[in-house]
Amino acid sequence: DVKVTQSSRYLVKRTGEKVFLECVQDMDHENMFWYRQDPGLGLRLIYFSYDVKMKEKGDIPEGYSVSREKKERFSLILESASTNQTSMYLCASTSARGLYNEQFFGPGTRLTVL
Amino acid sequence: GQQLNQSPQSMFIQEGEDVSMNCTSSSIFNTWLWYKQDPGEGPVLLIALYKAGELTSNGRLTAQFGITRKDSFLNISASIPSDVGIYFCAGHLWGNKLVFGAGTILRVKS
Repeated sequence: DVKVTQSSRYLVKRTGEKVFLECVQDMDHENMFWYRQDPGLGLRLIYFSYDVKMKEKGDIPEGYSVSREKKERFSLILESASTNQTSMYLCASTSARGLYNEQFFGPGTRLTVL
Repeated sequence: GQQLNQSPQSMFIQEGEDVSMNCTSSSIFNTWLWYKQDPGEGPVLLIALYKAGELTSNGRLTAQFGITRKDSFLNISASIPSDVGIYFCAGHLWGNKLVFGAGTILRVKS
């Protein structure tokens, strides 16, 4: 069974804190993605990675950075959390060799910034 | 960036009713995907469509890839309480990125 796990289901942080969201996949997928999900806006891509140490900006990268030191792990970093980063964060992965472009999602991390 | 227009935004239906939702885009796509997100979980793929005009079923779900490649619909027949959730369409054009619709929230009255 394919599996994408995220380090926390719920997280509460204070404005200005540095926040790390971790994602691990066990499918040997090359591609990994970070999205944020807000009501009425769907899923918006923050950053993605095609390979270890590779990263590309998505549609809304401002205020975020990422790290991919190992193939199975993709971290999202909020350098200085702000209240407008309160959201659901979803990690996903997909195989570069896949035919179906299907992305497999983790359960999400609901982040609240006070 | 590219956008998908998904409608309706939400639906509140009686158990047993059929459901229909759709996505349209100003851009063409090579693949259309439909995902469902249960409360508190990540999205899970329901149906994938790869050819214009393709009609695919998965149990009570039926989805079609529009002939213009700019739209897709998803139908759910005889809805049941566990159909509750958010349904997302997603389009793929190149690379490994997907473009997602805003989602349709489905609520079912039993």
